[in-house]
Amino acid sequence: NAGVTQTPKFRVLKTGQSMTLLCAQDMNHEYMYWYRQDPGMGLRLIHYSVGEGTTAKGEVPDGYNVSRLKKQNFLLGLESAAPSQTSVYFCASRDSSWLNKETQYFGPGTRLLVL
Amino acid sequence: AQKVTQAQTEISVVEKEDVTLDCVYETRDTTYYLFWYKQPPSGELVFLIRRNSFDEQNEISGRYSWNFQKSTSSFNFTITASQVVDSAVYFCALSDAFTGNQFYFGTGTSLTVIP
Repeated sequence: NAGVTQTPKFRVLKTGQSMTLLCAQDMNHEYMYWYRQDPGMGLRLIHYSVGEGTTAKGEVPDGYNVSRLKKQNFLLGLESAAPSQTSVYFCASRDSSWLNKETQYFGPGTRLLVL
Repeated sequence: AQKVTQAQTEISVVEKEDVTLDCVYETRDTTYYLFWYKQPPSGELVFLIRRNSFDEQNEISGRYSWNFQKSTSSFNFTITASQVVDSAVYFCALSDAFTGNQFYFGTGTSLTVIP
């Protein structure tokens, strides 16, 4: 049971390049989230999904797209990377119920540097 | 609007001292959840506690305790007899209880415990 995994762990991009971050969870969770963490800003929600085939915008969605074609995977895409997207990206998942003091489970993070 | 404020950016204490991390929140929801997460220097996010808005009982877990006061919209976290391993960034977060689609994080408090 690996929990939430993220690929890659670290990436350097040039401005204008594209890339996809992969999040995978093996807990059969319905809900999945993508956050970015910047110094002094805490975590901010980019996009989220409440089930396979559904996605919705969070607090800071501009410049990102997402897809949830399979329940266990949530992909975050950057079509044309900008230096402002340099950040640490966290994926999270949780069950659809709030029983037993359930919470989100986070992946280890992906560090992205855009030059 | 939903908002979480952690006014203390950085705190330093000497080992074995007690320390309280403040969290003040704003929400228009009548039912909501509050969370604390720990982010050690290794970078992962570790879940500490979830508190339901309808349960104002304080909670203790070992050296950790949480004081939830609805009247002041606060959910403070106290570490008793701090240890070097407690050095980390601590985040407070808020979510509505019905959809739980969006989590709102504070900007975090960086705690350094000096040996």
